[in-house]
Amino acid sequence: AQSVTQLDSHVSVSEGTPVLLRCNYSSSYSPSLFWYVQHPNKGLQLLLKYTSAATLVKGINGFEAEFKKSETSFHLTKPSAHMSDAAEYFCVVSRSGGYNKLIFGAGTRLAVHP
Amino acid sequence: DAMVIQNPRYQVTQFGKPVTLSCSQTLNHNVMYWYQQKSSQAPKLLFHYYDKDFNNEADTPDNFQSRRPNTSFCFLDIRSPGLGDAAMYLCATSRSGTSGYNEQFFGPGTRLTVL
Repeated sequence: AQSVTQLDSHVSVSEGTPVLLRCNYSSSYSPSLFWYVQHPNKGLQLLLKYTSAATLVKGINGFEAEFKKSETSFHLTKPSAHMSDAAEYFCVVSRSGGYNKLIFGAGTRLAVHP
Repeated sequence: DAMVIQNPRYQVTQFGKPVTLSCSQTLNHNVMYWYQQKSSQAPKLLFHYYDKDFNNEADTPDNFQSRRPNTSFCFLDIRSPGLGDAAMYLCATSRSGTSGYNEQFFGPGTRLTVL
């Protein structure tokens, strides 16, 4: 079985400060992990993915995430927040190999203040 | 640019009046998905097509149906919309491969309002 827990439902940061969105996963199999971003009334956009290659994954718009198997975590970070980063972020786990039904976390709403 | 397109972006229907949402893709992906997303919730998978094979999720109501006439197009039919079906409907695609179905690419969604 697989599951995802996003530890914060809301995160608020000031523009120019670091962003940390936390995600823990549970998987009986070797997982694939994704972060998607969703701006209001838009579809989901893939930020980055981990598929058993490098544990530090770099994505678009300056985001990166580190896969830590010992901690079963896949936290999303960005050194300096921009106003345009305000959105909903979903951590997603899928099984590597075979059918990859996506298991979504509940989402974290990121607010960025001037 | 290769993409997933959904039409219309906003759809208003009346209670009980059938409605069809459409999705097309230029990615030439063989797997297509339909999700329902209610306000402040994660997307919920309704069903997916692997090529022409239809795969329904166990908890998807019979009120929801889908058609895939060819690789590029997929339709979501809601036979008798209720107020509880008001939501954002997201179409997604992926390409099957040796490492599984790989990441999914999402369209912009159709916001359905039921009056």
